[in-house]
Amino acid sequence: NAGVTQTPKFRILKIGQSMTLQCTQDMNHNYMYWYRQDPGMGLKLIYYSVGAGITDKGEVPNGYNVSRSTTEDFPLRLELAAPSQTSVYFCASSYSRGVREGDGYTFGSGTRLTVV
Amino acid sequence: QKEVEQDPGPLSVPEGAIVSLNCTYSNSAFQYFMWYRQYSRKGPELLMYTYSSGNKEDGRFTAQVDKSSKYISLFIRDSQPSDSATYLCAMSEGNTGFQKLVFGTGTRLLVSP
Repeated sequence: NAGVTQTPKFRILKIGQSMTLQCTQDMNHNYMYWYRQDPGMGLKLIYYSVGAGITDKGEVPNGYNVSRSTTEDFPLRLELAAPSQTSVYFCASSYSRGVREGDGYTFGSGTRLTVV
Repeated sequence: QKEVEQDPGPLSVPEGAIVSLNCTYSNSAFQYFMWYRQYSRKGPELLMYTYSSGNKEDGRFTAQVDKSSKYISLFIRDSQPSDSATYLCAMSEGNTGFQKLVFGTGTRLLVSP
């Protein structure tokens, strides 16, 4: 199994440009998440989804949008890129909303985004 | 004050050493505690999980939770160069609600041969 696949791995954007970070999982997980990881800040939840057609905001949603039209895909959209969005973005999925071991929480390898 | 505090390191040790990684937290309602390992340019992977207080052992790894002190630890025995990674602690108040998981900033560990 591929697990959670993120594309692209690296991207440089100019201020004001838009882009979509892709995330696909092949584990038939209902729950999917987007995090950003900044030095000295830890992982912060941007958006999450509990199933196709259902999304909700996390801790730091401003400047981002998501959609979940299928179980497999959970793209993250940046509409007007700003330098503050320079970060490493991780997508994750799980088969339940629990936090216990065995709940299959799996991260992708990340997308490194630089906004200049 | 951050809800979860973790020394960023780096922590450098020779191969074979016992490593101690720690997190402190301020929210007394946290009950679920996890340690994630993150290799360079990779996503985090779950290493250890503990519910409430106590110890849990898995091979060379031992996780400890001291809720009275709001302090959790991860011990690595006989450390190997392959253990070189960033270790993130994470914790949650309840089981139903992964969206409320709070992560530490991570401690970078370097194990030299």
